[in-house]
Amino acid sequence: DTEVTQTPKHLVMGMTNKKSLKCEQHMGHRAMYWYKQKAKKPPELMFVYSYEKLSINESVPSRFSPECPNSSLLNLHLHALQPEDSALYLCASSQEVGRGRSGANVLTFGAGSRLTVL
Amino acid sequence: QKEVEQNSGPLSVPEGAIASLNCTYSDRVSQSFFWYRQYSGKSPELIMSIYSNGDKEDGRFTAQLNKASQYVSLLIRDSQPSDSATYLCAVNEANAGGTSYGKLTFGQGTILTVHP
Repeated sequence: DTEVTQTPKHLVMGMTNKKSLKCEQHMGHRAMYWYKQKAKKPPELMFVYSYEKLSINESVPSRFSPECPNSSLLNLHLHALQPEDSALYLCASSQEVGRGRSGANVLTFGAGSRLTVL
Repeated sequence: QKEVEQNSGPLSVPEGAIASLNCTYSDRVSQSFFWYRQYSGKSPELIMSIYSNGDKEDGRFTAQLNKASQYVSLLIRDSQPSDSATYLCAVNEANAGGTSYGKLTFGQGTILTVHP
């Protein structure tokens, strides 16, 4: 199994709603990532989890709350979002973080969750 | 803030031609370099990874890395209409010892169109 599975594929929510994005991988990878991608822009890193611990938070607003319940799962909890948060949210995984010159840090992306905030 | 710069594009080539995509990066200690392809509305998929100076070939794709010039490129030979996509150069940030932080920085992407 070489896939990263994200659910839901599409999500529409109001500014007062609470929702969650889910990501799952069964490749035995120990690093997982959340990226945000706006139209015609490159992906921007939000969070990195390494061995289920948060290792990077790129100064993301607190209305985005990541959670890594176990090594296979990564969630992104959403609350009180703004319309400008509408974007494609990409989950990715890699074998691990830390090896500078090896395939261990190659990212495999999920298909993404397209979020629209009304 | 580490930077990754790509040709702004768009790049248009005829079917069967060689497409050349270029990328420069600012972080001298970076050790890992990647090219991702992204079709419209889809997620990025890895095309090539390269870690050492020189060329790396995989089928119709050749990645070239020159760390002294902080330059990485991707050549696509015998371009096909199915190669039409946005190509993202990505660089893994690292500390002076070469250990990755896990932060992959992407360039703005080059849109490639291969016309029949």
